[in-house]
Amino acid sequence: GQQVMQIPQYQHVQEGEDFTTYCNSSTTLSNIQWYKQRPGGHPVFLIQLVKSGEVKKQKRLTFQFGEAKKNSSLHITATQTTDVGTYFCAGPLDGNKLVFGAGTILRVKS
Amino acid sequence: GAGVSQSPSNKVTEKGKDVELRCDPISGHTALYWYRQSLGQGLEFLIYFQGNSAPDKSGLPSDRFSAERTGGSVSTLTIQRTQQEDSAVYLCASSLAHSTPYEQYFGPGTRLTVT
Repeated sequence: GQQVMQIPQYQHVQEGEDFTTYCNSSTTLSNIQWYKQRPGGHPVFLIQLVKSGEVKKQKRLTFQFGEAKKNSSLHITATQTTDVGTYFCAGPLDGNKLVFGAGTILRVKS
Repeated sequence: GAGVSQSPSNKVTEKGKDVELRCDPISGHTALYWYRQSLGQGLEFLIYFQGNSAPDKSGLPSDRFSAERTGGSVSTLTIQRTQQEDSAVYLCASSLAHSTPYEQYFGPGTRLTVT
C-alpha cells in the first residue's frame, strides 16, 4: 500500500548540535503534518504544510515541503534537552486516511 | 474544551480474556483512528472511522480485533482472547476530516498488559 518512509530511525546528538529528520512518500501528498511525542506521552501536532516548496519556522524548528510534494524535512537548530522525543511525519494517503511515518527518535546529550 | 479521552488508562489482563478499550473523541470530530504502539516503536494503524462511511479495517492484525463507533461519537476497540503480543499502548485520535488543518488530536492512550 501507499507508504510514508522516515529516516533516520534514531539520532543521538550533543546539546547544541543540529538535527534533521526526513520524510518521503510513495505518492504526491496534498499536505504533510509533523507530530512530536515526548517520552511517555502521546503525539502532539506541530504543523501542517500544504504548498509545494513551502517552508515554515517555529522558533528553532524549520519545516520544509518538497517541490514535488513527495518529501518533507524537519530541521532543529541548536538542539536542547527539551527537544527529546520522537518526531513523526504523516500524510493523507488511501483517500483521506492519515498515514504516519515510523518516526525518528531524538536523544540529546547535555 | 475537552480533549480526546480514553479509558481505562491501564489494563492488565490474563491471556485468553477479552478486553474493551474506550475512546471519547472531541465533540464534532467526524474522523476517529485507533493505533497501537509497542514500546519504542512507531504508530501501527488499526482502524479508521469517517462519518457514516464504512470503516477502514485494513490495519486490524487479526479477527480477534474489532471496533465500533456508536452514533458517530464514542468508539470501542475490542480484543478477544488476548495474547501476550497484544501488550502495547492503544492510542485513539480524532480530527475534523474535512477541515484544514485537520490535525489529529490524540488521547492519552490505554496501556494494555497481557500476562
